[in-house]
Amino acid sequence: AQSVTQLDSQVPVFEEAPVELRCNYSSSVSVYLFWYVQYPNQGLQLLLKYLSGSTLVKGINGFEAEFNKSQTSFHLRKPSVHISDTAEYFCAVSYGGATNKLIFGTGTLLAVQP
Amino acid sequence: NAGVTQTPKFRILKIGQSMTLQCTQDMNHNYMYWYRQDPGMGLKLIYYSVGAGITDKGEVPNGYNVSRSTTEDFPLRLELAAPSQTSVYFCASRESLTGGDEKLFFGSGTQLSVL
Repeated sequence: AQSVTQLDSQVPVFEEAPVELRCNYSSSVSVYLFWYVQYPNQGLQLLLKYLSGSTLVKGINGFEAEFNKSQTSFHLRKPSVHISDTAEYFCAVSYGGATNKLIFGTGTLLAVQP
Repeated sequence: NAGVTQTPKFRILKIGQSMTLQCTQDMNHNYMYWYRQDPGMGLKLIYYSVGAGITDKGEVPNGYNVSRSTTEDFPLRLELAAPSQTSVYFCASRESLTGGDEKLFFGSGTQLSVL
């Protein structure tokens, strides 16, 4: 079955430290990959996406993610986090290019502490 | 730009009551979606629409109904509210682009409690 796994429900990190949020998906021939961010009491916003081409994708707010087909992963990284990065981060996968089949992970709460 | 607007932001219902969650977008998007978000469960697709007059079930449609009479509006109806429908509901939309550009625009959500 098609699925997205975010193993870490919560990631605490100190301000200015690097962070990696993990995302793995079930293997498929054609996938599109996304990271969305949800700030408190708000809807989700697109952070970055991988559709094709370079496997390293850069998004807003200094985040980047790398598509690794052999490991079926799309981990999100930031070299130095800020307090304002505290939010819930959702990985999402579209199988076969159809948003009607957009599957979200369970989310990872990034908690940045001073 | 208003984007995707949801009303109400909060609502408490008694078991068996009915209500409609409103969603409207001003971006002329053909595709619209309703998701529910439960703690630790991510987002689950309830219903979606690919254009006015066309709707289809998502992953968790039971207990809900939708309609799409205009491009702008996509209301979600709960006919007989149950405690299991306590959740945060998000409406989203996107353009019907080819090439897989799947950027969804989300509303700010409706927090619903059924007691």
